[in-house]
Amino acid sequence: SAVISQKPSRDICQRGTSLTIQCQVDSQVTMMFWYRQQPGQSLTLIATANQGSEATYESGFVIDKFPISRPNLTFSTLTVSNMSPEDSSIYLCSVEIQHTDTQYFGPGTRLTVL
Amino acid sequence: GENVEQHPSTLSVQEGDSAVIKCTYSDSASNYFPWYKQELGKRPQLIIDIRSNVGEKKDQRIAVTLNKTAKHFSLHITETQPEDSAVYFCAAFFTGTASKLTFGTGTRLQVML
Repeated sequence: SAVISQKPSRDICQRGTSLTIQCQVDSQVTMMFWYRQQPGQSLTLIATANQGSEATYESGFVIDKFPISRPNLTFSTLTVSNMSPEDSSIYLCSVEIQHTDTQYFGPGTRLTVL
Repeated sequence: GENVEQHPSTLSVQEGDSAVIKCTYSDSASNYFPWYKQELGKRPQLIIDIRSNVGEKKDQRIAVTLNKTAKHFSLHITETQPEDSAVYFCAAFFTGTASKLTFGTGTRLQVML
């Protein structure tokens, strides 16, 4: 497996502002992903963070709202832009261990938008 | 795209009894099926997985079975304990133009003393 950390662990933000969430892994991984988990719901993939190129977004998620960076093989950021209360959720990053399809999750960031 | 259905949404069992959670998937090309356990306020944790070239896999009290023809897979927990209480998610790895995991809707398992 891998040791994955996320910062911040939680935040309370005002509507209209933006928050950047960081994900750090202790080893180089090819694939990193960002998920959203709304209260009591399942995990929904936002995008795949590609190292050296633009992220690949799932249907319903756009780069202007959720810009993603992946500057190297151990780090990624997700920004939630122009937030509204509907963005209140848990945001999780995950990593895929090299070519195994197996994903491990970070501890998550609990975001509340007022 | 891939669709994963999961049943039941909630499950209560007596301590020591068995629990079974079932999932079906839509894409016959899916070839990897992990199960995650998520305790309240915690991250999803991988507990067992199975690949399409295997019909069953066991790890102590948990087992997973896969029926490729019917496109369904199941999680079996035997001799349930209170610490098994959590939400369980199945997932299927979709090998389309953009490979990704698609998750089921989750099963809240409560083990009663």
